[in-house]
Amino acid sequence: DTAVSQTPKYLVTQMGNDKSIKCEQNLGHDTMYWYKQDSKKFLKIMFSYNNKELIINETVPNRFSPKSPDKAHLNLHINSLELGDSAVYFCASMATETQYFGPGTRLLVL
Amino acid sequence: GESVGLHLPTLSVQEGDNSIINCAYSNSASDYFIWYKQESGKGPQFIIDIRSNMDKRQGQRVTVLLNKTVKHLSLQIAATQPGDSAVYFCAENPHGGGFKTIFGAGTRLFVKA
Repeated sequence: DTAVSQTPKYLVTQMGNDKSIKCEQNLGHDTMYWYKQDSKKFLKIMFSYNNKELIINETVPNRFSPKSPDKAHLNLHINSLELGDSAVYFCASMATETQYFGPGTRLLVL
Repeated sequence: GESVGLHLPTLSVQEGDNSIINCAYSNSASDYFIWYKQESGKGPQFIIDIRSNMDKRQGQRVTVLLNKTVKHLSLQIAATQPGDSAVYFCAENPHGGGFKTIFGAGTRLFVKA
């Protein structure tokens, strides 16, 4: 009964490949996020959806495309992966003003 | 731009001592502040929050202090335990900032047994 789940947990791939990360929350929240955490632990917001609508889109390369099929799911598709995309990607959902994070997806681009 | 920063990137304390993690924020429009704890290999977890109309809030072994005059936030952990070892983030929600939470850079807490 995990509140926010992400798959896969680990992702190792070659440069130039396309990959997707999935996120699901069973908390009934309307708002979901994608964050990128670099090796120095800095959390950078990428996208946010509220009730399936994109509400935050930070300066992220357009190789990254989020998709929210329903308010419980927010997926992240990355085209033409680059070395600099290696990081931990966290999904989160928000109740009122507090965020609940998933366990993270560790992406390594070789 | 506006940011949330931390005074000490790494803090090492002896088990049983009290820990204080500090955070400076620059957005005077922020009206809600949160501390998150991130253990190794996991996502950040909510610890405690405080609104701008308060200057202190206590939880179980944790206390958050807010000084709006100097835009300073601190997290105090009483009787620090090995399980408290983690990276701690302060975060702020600017009033009228919509759904965007601004996270600080994080402080790593080491607890020595």
